[in-house]
Amino acid sequence: GEDVEQSLFLSVREGDSSVINCTYTDSSSTYLYWYKQEPGAGLQLLTYIFSNMDMKQDQRLTVLLNKKDKHLSLRIADTQTGDSAIYFCAEAPSQGGKLIFGQGTELSVKP
Amino acid sequence: GAVVSQHPSWVICKSGTSVKIECRSLDFQATTMFWYRQFPKQSLMLMATSNEGSKATYEQGVEKDKFLINHASLTLSTLTVTSAHPEDSSFYICSARPNYEQYFGPGTRLTVT
Repeated sequence: GEDVEQSLFLSVREGDSSVINCTYTDSSSTYLYWYKQEPGAGLQLLTYIFSNMDMKQDQRLTVLLNKKDKHLSLRIADTQTGDSAIYFCAEAPSQGGKLIFGQGTELSVKP
Repeated sequence: GAVVSQHPSWVICKSGTSVKIECRSLDFQATTMFWYRQFPKQSLMLMATSNEGSKATYEQGVEKDKFLINHASLTLSTLTVTSAHPEDSSFYICSARPNYEQYFGPGTRLTVT
């Protein structure tokens, strides 16, 4: 079946690195995504990774994919207060584009 | 990245009335758009896949007669909540993708009184 799991909360201090973890179940997922949602807003696409990649880095963001364990992580370097938001991972189990989302991880950055 | 807009951003309506929400892809054409629903502090739930020129595909448990979807052009999909009730109050978000990157609209907050 299709299921994506995330821890619900993460609290870090400003300047530290944040690591948000996600596990998924559908091994056929071609792309895996990370989105950021601020209160009352839509979802902002942060980054994505193709399933044949192990790692992708984009400025302060690093995505690691362990396909064997179906584990995905998002690392945010030098976390800032503006990074406080809910982060969703999502898998795309088919070519049709439908996304299956995790529950979201609320990141709180303390000054 | 690509831009997806929604209108209105928020709406309050009386119970029993219908509300239409628009989703537009501003700088690309989208043969497929997606409609999601999000309750407070919860994840997004896919309601339906909107297909240009054909019928929408609804997820299990979503009433197609209550949530009418029309995708009349390559840049516009509409979701109409018919005979709205307070339990339909929610945040509705649409998405579309020019390629494998899927972009979301800013969402529409619906409150039914």
